Amino acid sequence: GNSVTQMEGPVTLSEEAFLTINCTYTATGYPSLFWYVQYPGEGLQLLLKATKADDKGSNKGFEATYRKETTSFHLEKGSVQVSDSAVYFCALSDRTGGFKTIFGAGTRLFVKA
Amino acid sequence: NAGVTQTPKFRVLKTGQSMTLLCAQDMNHEYMYWYRQDPGMGLRLIHYSVGEGTTAKGEVPDGYNVSRLKKQNFLLGLESAAPSQTSVYFCASRKGLIEKLFFGSGTQLSVL
Repeated sequence: GNSVTQMEGPVTLSEEAFLTINCTYTATGYPSLFWYVQYPGEGLQLLLKATKADDKGSNKGFEATYRKETTSFHLEKGSVQVSDSAVYFCALSDRTGGFKTIFGAGTRLFVKA
Repeated sequence: NAGVTQTPKFRVLKTGQSMTLLCAQDMNHEYMYWYRQDPGMGLRLIHYSVGEGTTAKGEVPDGYNVSRLKKQNFLLGLESAAPSQTSVYFCASRKGLIEKLFFGSGTQLSVL
């Protein structure tokens, strides 16, 4: 079945540091890939997405490229801010997976001033 | 726009009690989902629906039932609550398969 694996957290960075959160996936079909972010006490909200191989999703300075050859969708940001502190979830959605969206375990990010 | 609304926001149950969580969306979305979120385990899919009158099992369906009698509503039921069902429950909906999920604000459930 489909699955998503994320790097374990928490990740602690200083403001303006470079961020990478690794995500790899297993899927039988051709999934769409997503990164969602959850701020304290809130539901998840979409950060970015990519729907086919080599697509790059980007939003608010975050980027991720759909790499079919390595089955990866790593999240990057060049300079993090304190306000980026949150939990980040990698997810995939695949028609052959029964229209379900499968999430990774989440990676908590702390950014220090 | 209200988006996805979950009720209640908090609930405490005793073991063996029953309850229903309500999810309502006003975006005319076909797909609706119920997830539970537990520390270190991310979101796990309980049940989902691909349209009015349809439901299907997700990763962790045992102990839960669902109904989608109206397109805008997706109900999650616990017939006999157990402490293992203590969790935060999220409802989500979306228009199409590659579209983003819209999440409710969650229901914190404690089973004593």
